[in-house]
Amino acid sequence: EAGVVQSPRYKIIEKKQPVAFWCNPISGHNTLYWYLQNLGQGPELLIRYENEEAVDDSQLPKDRFSAERLKGVDSTLKIQPAELGDSAVYLCASSQRGAGALYFGPGTRLTVL
Amino acid sequence: DAKTTQPPSMDCAEGRAANLPCNHSTISGNEYVYWYRQIHSQGPQYIIHGLKNNETNEMASLIITEDRKSSTLILPHATLRDTAVYYCIVRVEYQGGKLIFGQGTELSVKP
Repeated sequence: EAGVVQSPRYKIIEKKQPVAFWCNPISGHNTLYWYLQNLGQGPELLIRYENEEAVDDSQLPKDRFSAERLKGVDSTLKIQPAELGDSAVYLCASSQRGAGALYFGPGTRLTVL
Repeated sequence: DAKTTQPPSMDCAEGRAANLPCNHSTISGNEYVYWYRQIHSQGPQYIIHGLKNNETNEMASLIITEDRKSSTLILPHATLRDTAVYYCIVRVEYQGGKLIFGQGTELSVKP
């Protein structure tokens, strides 16, 4: 069974530029999560989707971050414009109906110069 | 805020059992204990979870005290590839599945 797929694995951009991350969850998993992980810290939840509905986006900085999950499968997380402090690893995870284990992808490492 | 307390680091000799402790004294009756690990430059990997009873799978064993205020993750025969940060997390099932990560324990397995 394929795991959670994320792309790109690495991204380097200059500040004020836009950037987007893509995630394909495990087949059949209705719940999708985006987490942010700063260096030396544990992951922090940004947003959670149940199918195509964002049911918890309280930690998403909505002035510059946006996310979508059209058709309830793949998801895209966007930052516009990026700031130096956005340099981090962006992790996507999925689970079945919000219960049981979350399975994480490898993450996208973003560097903002 | 994370609801668990773990030692920041531990060492273990290769081939020996690694016992990773976790305190969760404020755990509620409907909260499960989850363990994840994160190897450098990879996403967190699910290991095991439990509610009350001890659990075992092909990766590890989870021992939860009777009062559920603490638990221990046991890697029976640690290898160098088990070197990672291990996270102990308490989580309410069926309420969105949110995992709140703490700082974890950095386990170093040494030859």
